Amino acid sequence: NAGVTQTPKFQVLKTGQSMTLQCAQDMNHNSMYWYRQDPGMGLRLIYYSASEGTTDKGEVPNGYNVSRLNKREFSLRLESAAPSQTSVYFCAGSAGTVSYEQYFGPGTRLTVT
Amino acid sequence: AQSVTQLGSHVSVSEGALVLLRCNYSSSVPPYLFWYVQYPNQGLQLLLKYTTGATLVKGINGFEAEFKKSETSFHLTKPSAHMSDAAEYFCAVRRSGSARQLTFGSGTQLTVLP
Repeated sequence: NAGVTQTPKFQVLKTGQSMTLQCAQDMNHNSMYWYRQDPGMGLRLIYYSASEGTTDKGEVPNGYNVSRLNKREFSLRLESAAPSQTSVYFCAGSAGTVSYEQYFGPGTRLTVT
Repeated sequence: AQSVTQLGSHVSVSEGALVLLRCNYSSSVPPYLFWYVQYPNQGLQLLLKYTTGATLVKGINGFEAEFKKSETSFHLTKPSAHMSDAAEYFCAVRRSGSARQLTFGSGTQLTVLP
């Protein structure tokens, strides 16, 4: 039982390049989330998926797209990376039970030069 | 709308001293409150949660938090700090709606001095 996994762990991109961050969970979570973490700003929600087949924008969706491929997998795509997207990205899942707690992956550290 | 304020972006305590990390929230729905811990270069790990019932909740690693509705607070405490407690701590509150979203505070970095 790996929980929430993310690949890659580290990535360096040049401005304008594209890439996809992968997230998978084996906890049977209904809801999945993508956050970015920047110093002094806590976690900000980029996109979320309340259930398989649905996605919706969070607080900071500009420059990103997502795909909920199936119940297990939720990917985040940067179509044309910008230096402002340098950040640490976390994927999380929630079972969708009463208590709302989320379980986080280990993160992807992305640098855009 | 929901929001979380963590007072003090950096807190330093001596090993063996009381740890007190402050969290105040605002919520338009009955609050569900959470504390998470993040060790360097890792993801967030759930420490404890309050949903309903007992207002003093105990979590992992000897931490506890008390929900005080009148003060809209959910402060995190530990009687005796250990070097291994050095980490960043985040308070979070549930958001209304069906997607089980959380709103996070900006975090408090805890340093434990020998």
